[in-house]
Amino acid sequence: NAGVTQTPKFRILKIGQSMTLQCTQDMNHNYMYWYRQDPGMGLKLIYYSVGAGITDKGEVPNGYNVSRSTTEDFPLRLELAAPSQTSVYFCASRTLAGALPYEQYFGPGTRLTVT
Amino acid sequence: GQSLEQPSEVTAVEGAIVQINCTYQTSGFYGLSWYQQHDGGAPTFLSYNALDGLEETGRFSSFLSRSDSYGYLLLQELQMKDSASYFCAVNRDDKIIFGKGTRLHILP
Repeated sequence: NAGVTQTPKFRILKIGQSMTLQCTQDMNHNYMYWYRQDPGMGLKLIYYSVGAGITDKGEVPNGYNVSRSTTEDFPLRLELAAPSQTSVYFCASRTLAGALPYEQYFGPGTRLTVT
Repeated sequence: GQSLEQPSEVTAVEGAIVQINCTYQTSGFYGLSWYQQHDGGAPTFLSYNALDGLEETGRFSSFLSRSDSYGYLLLQELQMKDSASYFCAVNRDDKIIFGKGTRLHILP
């Protein structure tokens, strides 16, 4: 059971480039989330999904897109990278079942620099 | 909208007790969670309060007062490994919204 995995771990992008951050979970969780964390700050919710085929905006969705074609995968797409998107990106998942339905499991993060 | 307020930094001595407060303003509130994050790492879940009162998990306890929109995390018998950032998070509908975090410094 690998939990939540994210790739890549690090990436440097030039302004205007595009990329996809991958996130996969093997726990059969319905809910998945994307957060960004700027240095010394809290986590800001970008997008979330309550199940395959359903996505919704969080607090800071501009400049990002997501899709959820399977329960396991929730990729985050940056279309035109900007320096303001330099951050650490965390993917998380949770299930409605079990004793702690609000416990989120986080991936290790992707450190993105846009120059 | 929603907002969470917690102190940016707290300092305590090894072996002591420390309390980290969190106040929130949000609609559709379901509960309050607490997460720990070490430098360079990912957040890890500590506790969750849906109802008023105290929840205890080992050295950590968390309290919620829904009428006061207030909660706190209590850490007992502090150890050096507890040096980390601690985040409160509001569970609102299907979203989980985080505060800015409290950096806990522990002195030997």
